[in-house]
Amino acid sequence: KAGVTQTPRYLIKTRGQQVTLSCSPISGHRSVSWYQQTPGQGLQFLFEYFSETQRNKGNFPGRFSGRQFSNSRSEMNVSTLELGDSALYLCASTSTDTQYFGPGTRLTVL
Amino acid sequence: GQQVMQIPQYQHVQEGEDFTTYCNSSTTLSNIQWYKQRPGGHPVFLIQLVKSGEVKKQKRLTFQFGEAKKNSSLHITATQTTDVGTYFCAKREWGYSTLTFGKGTMLLVSP
Repeated sequence: KAGVTQTPRYLIKTRGQQVTLSCSPISGHRSVSWYQQTPGQGLQFLFEYFSETQRNKGNFPGRFSGRQFSNSRSEMNVSTLELGDSALYLCASTSTDTQYFGPGTRLTVL
Repeated sequence: GQQVMQIPQYQHVQEGEDFTTYCNSSTTLSNIQWYKQRPGGHPVFLIQLVKSGEVKKQKRLTFQFGEAKKNSSLHITATQTTDVGTYFCAKREWGYSTLTFGKGTMLLVSP
């Protein structure tokens, strides 16, 4: 099976812009979670989707949003970008107890 | 929210030396997972522990879950340069796939 894919892999934006990141889970996986990874805060949970429904949400401002489509692909959106949003954004798809992470999208906000 | 604390933050060893990272929680954990992230890579699942006092081995890696289910450890015997990376523990929320990660232990192995 193909692994988790994320697009784009790298992105440079300026403050105030918005961005949409995409994640395709492993075929057959219905749960997708998103994480933000920064040197200072480490890996922090953003949200989790299952069968197109947001099942859980982390402690991030409303500028961070997401959705999941009927084919389990997921997108996350960050509006009004801030410098502090620069991070590696990882998505993971889940099979039973194991989470499989994608390669991530490296977002740089200038 | 409930946190998992991981120590040490960083360790530099000579190839062949052993390495241990510890994960602690102030509350009882239903499970603990361990992940490895190579430099420039993404976290890769290593193992999940769920039973009190559980010990699991994967080649040179030994994982333990404390009797009180409040701590866990990962021990690497005779480190190799391929062990370089950051090791994370994480607890999974019951009923969800959500993971709460420790800050990780970065392991550097010198040949």
